Amino acid sequence: DVKVTQSSRYLVKRTGEKVFLECVQDMDHENMFWYRQDPGLGLRLIYFSYDVKMKEKGDIPEGYSVSREKKERFSLILESASTNQTSMYLCASSLLGDLTDTQYFGPGTRLTVL
Amino acid sequence: AQKITQTQPGMFVQEKEAVTLDCTYDTSDQSYGLFWYKQPSSGEMIFLIYQGSYDEQNATEGRYSLNFQKARKSANLVISASQLGDSAMYFCAMREGKYSGTSYGKLTFGQGTILTVHP
Repeated sequence: DVKVTQSSRYLVKRTGEKVFLECVQDMDHENMFWYRQDPGLGLRLIYFSYDVKMKEKGDIPEGYSVSREKKERFSLILESASTNQTSMYLCASSLLGDLTDTQYFGPGTRLTVL
Repeated sequence: AQKITQTQPGMFVQEKEAVTLDCTYDTSDQSYGLFWYKQPSSGEMIFLIYQGSYDEQNATEGRYSLNFQKARKSANLVISASQLGDSAMYFCAMREGKYSGTSYGKLTFGQGTILTVHP
């Protein structure tokens, strides 16, 4: 079974803090993704990566950066957390990136910024 | 404009009955893929079923089937014989066929439908 893990289920941070969300997949997938989920808005793509050290912006990259130094690990960084970044963050991975490619998700991190 | 629309914020169904969750999409591509995911209260997104735009048959996976009407641009999920464990949020998503960088287009998700199964 594909396993995608995220470093924390719940996280509380203060405004202005630098926040790291870690994601690890164990299936040698090429592609990894970070989404945020907000009520009434569904999932929105923040960033994705199709190879080590490669990244592309999604729909809402502002205020976020990412790092992929190893194939299995994809980190989301909030350089200076703000209250409007309070959300559920979901990491996903997929093997090929072709049309039929299924994304497999981690359990999510619920981040609260005070 | 919304690319994926789920018009039902919440749905209720009696155990053992069938339920249809609506999804309409908007794309000018001829080649695209449609996905349904389930998100229980635990938070993890679980892949349920996939339908390709060129697939002639409606996709089925166990109790899940996809009612694909290409001309209407709809891809409704049908759950037969509902169970209490089906209570969850359900998301419809689409991948369009055009490239973005070195990989195919990203998944675009709808707003989700919360399904509650009553005993």
